[in-house]
Amino acid sequence: DTEVTQTPKHLVMGMTNKKSLKCEQHMGHRAMYWYKQKAKKPPELMFVYSYEKLSINESVPSRFSPECPNSSLLNLHLHALQPEDSALYLCASSHEGNTDTQYFGPGTRLTVL
Amino acid sequence: QKEVEQNSGPLSVPEGAIASLNCTYSDRGSQSFFWYRQYSGKSPELIMFIYSNGDKEDGRFTAQLNKASQYVSLLIRDSQPSDSATYLCALETGANNLFFGTGTRLTVIP
Repeated sequence: DTEVTQTPKHLVMGMTNKKSLKCEQHMGHRAMYWYKQKAKKPPELMFVYSYEKLSINESVPSRFSPECPNSSLLNLHLHALQPEDSALYLCASSHEGNTDTQYFGPGTRLTVL
Repeated sequence: QKEVEQNSGPLSVPEGAIASLNCTYSDRGSQSFFWYRQYSGKSPELIMFIYSNGDKEDGRFTAQLNKASQYVSLLIRDSQPSDSATYLCALETGANNLFFGTGTRLTVIP
């Protein structure tokens, strides 16, 4: 099983809403990632969790709050987002990080009104 | 400053031809390089990875790495219309960090 799943597939939210994106993998991977991808741009790394601990935060605004409840799950909590935060949010996982191959989930298409 | 440069394209090749995609990078410390394919509206899908200088072949795909010249390329033989996508070059930049190029859009013309 080389699948990373993400829910929901699509999300529309207002600027005052609170919502969460979810990511799950059952490959025994110990590193999980959140990326943001705008149209016609490459994915940009937001956060990295390694062994359930936050190891990288790429200067992401505090309105994005990651959480790793266990080694299989990764959440991204959203609050007070701006329309410019509309993008495809991708989750990925890898065995232990560094040179290990990252496998991506299908993404959540987020629209902020 | 880490940079990964790719021609944005579009690169158009006829069906059955060889498509050649190139990527140059600035970080000499990078050791691992990846090629991802991304269809419009979908997530990136791993095509190949390469760590050592030289060629690595997998089916119709060949990745080439030259660390001295700081480039990595992807050749697609017998190109098919289903290969039409954006191809992203990526390199690892240290612990758990993958940095992507801007991607090359490939169109295979039937």
